[in-house]
Amino acid sequence: DGGITQSPKYLFRKEGQNVTLSCEQNLNHDAMYWYRQDPGQGLRLIYYSQIVNDFQKGDIAEGYSVSREKKESFPLTVTSAQKNPTAFYLCASSTSRGWGAFFGQGTRLTVV
Amino acid sequence: GDSVTQMEGPVTLSEEAFLTINCTYTATGYPSLFWYVQYPGEGLQLLLKATKADDKGSNKGFEATYRKETTSFHLEKGSVQVSDSAVYFCALTRFGGSNYKLTFGKGTLLTVNP
Repeated sequence: DGGITQSPKYLFRKEGQNVTLSCEQNLNHDAMYWYRQDPGQGLRLIYYSQIVNDFQKGDIAEGYSVSREKKESFPLTVTSAQKNPTAFYLCASSTSRGWGAFFGQGTRLTVV
Repeated sequence: GDSVTQMEGPVTLSEEAFLTINCTYTATGYPSLFWYVQYPGEGLQLLLKATKADDKGSNKGFEATYRKETTSFHLEKGSVQVSDSAVYFCALTRFGGSNYKLTFGKGTLLTVNP
């Protein structure tokens, strides 16, 4: 079945450590996205990529980094520069026509 | 810039009640409009969409009509069930150029009691 896989579902890290969240899709979608979700804040865009080897900052990119070396994969690194990294992270993908996006199941990151 | 405003929750209804969740948007051009649903601890699922004015999106008993004159895309369901309890997000995206990112509202929590 086609879809988007995020791993792990739960992730715990110590403060000051970098951590990488995985996102893989087999939908053959060109565009991929990372969103952060906090209670009462809705979804905020961190980074997005419309083609391989290209990506753009979203609304809250500070303290995060991404890469897009393969069409299927768009990993997100939460660096120690991110002041408040504890959140629910959602990866999504869409066709280049912008017909809406498909989402993964999310990764809940807790930094202690 | 683009923005989406949806009614604040939480919304609490009894089973079989009528549901309306209001959504209005601000965007240049002709955006596509979406409703997404999120069940506890999960990602978002696309519920319905409409791509041009007067289009009606529908799925699982939910409906929403793209009203360009009022810049609205209100979600309705005639008879809600306990299983409809979730967070609902209104969203938009615009065609054209190189920007296909979705802009979301803040979400509305719906709780349906038996």
